[in-house]
Amino acid sequence: DTGVSQDPRHKITKRGQNVTFRCDPISEHNRLYWYRQTLGQGPEFLTYFQNEAQLEKSRLLSDRFSAERPKGSFSTLEIQRTEQGDSAMYLCASSFLGRPGTQYFGPGTRLLVL
Amino acid sequence: TQLLEQSPQFLSIQEGENLTVYCNSSSVFSSLQWYRQEPGEGPVLLVTVVTGGEVKKLKRLTFQFGDARKDSSLHITAAQPGDTGLYLCAGHNNTDKLIFGTGTRLQVFP
Repeated sequence: DTGVSQDPRHKITKRGQNVTFRCDPISEHNRLYWYRQTLGQGPEFLTYFQNEAQLEKSRLLSDRFSAERPKGSFSTLEIQRTEQGDSAMYLCASSFLGRPGTQYFGPGTRLLVL
Repeated sequence: TQLLEQSPQFLSIQEGENLTVYCNSSSVFSSLQWYRQEPGEGPVLLVTVVTGGEVKKLKRLTFQFGDARKDSSLHITAAQPGDTGLYLCAGHNNTDKLIFGTGTRLQVFP
């Protein structure tokens, strides 16, 4: 399978705990995006990378959120001191630089904060 | 703030019927994507349209991008239960992120 993969698929945590999600993009893609989707809504942009550089962060990305793509391949999204409002589906997508609108999504990580 | 409004929000039809989903905005997009999403899964890309007036067909699905690149439609002919899902349009412009529509939830009954 050469699509976008995400790990874990599901995460249940207690409020105040830290969580980290991983995304492996399609190997030839140099752009990687993180989105968040809550129930009944479309995905909302969080941040994106071109190779290892983080080029844009949404205002939705509070100081408790940090994302990295250290070698320009896989990426991690960490949420510190989780809150119940962080419960959502976290989606990763990747694209070619030349076709940035054509983004391929992974299966997502569903986070539940108790 | 760029918004993409989709209509209808919900659609419940019988197998074999035709349907059209609309995606409208006041903003111009450089490309428009359509995705289908099933519960607990990520969106699956169906098509990208980039040229005003462009029409693309994918089996029973026909996608059209408006002449002014502000709106799009998805037409499904002879819907099948396997078409059931959440349909999302997503616009892309020079900000590099996708702006997603409000979604259309389709249920096709056998």
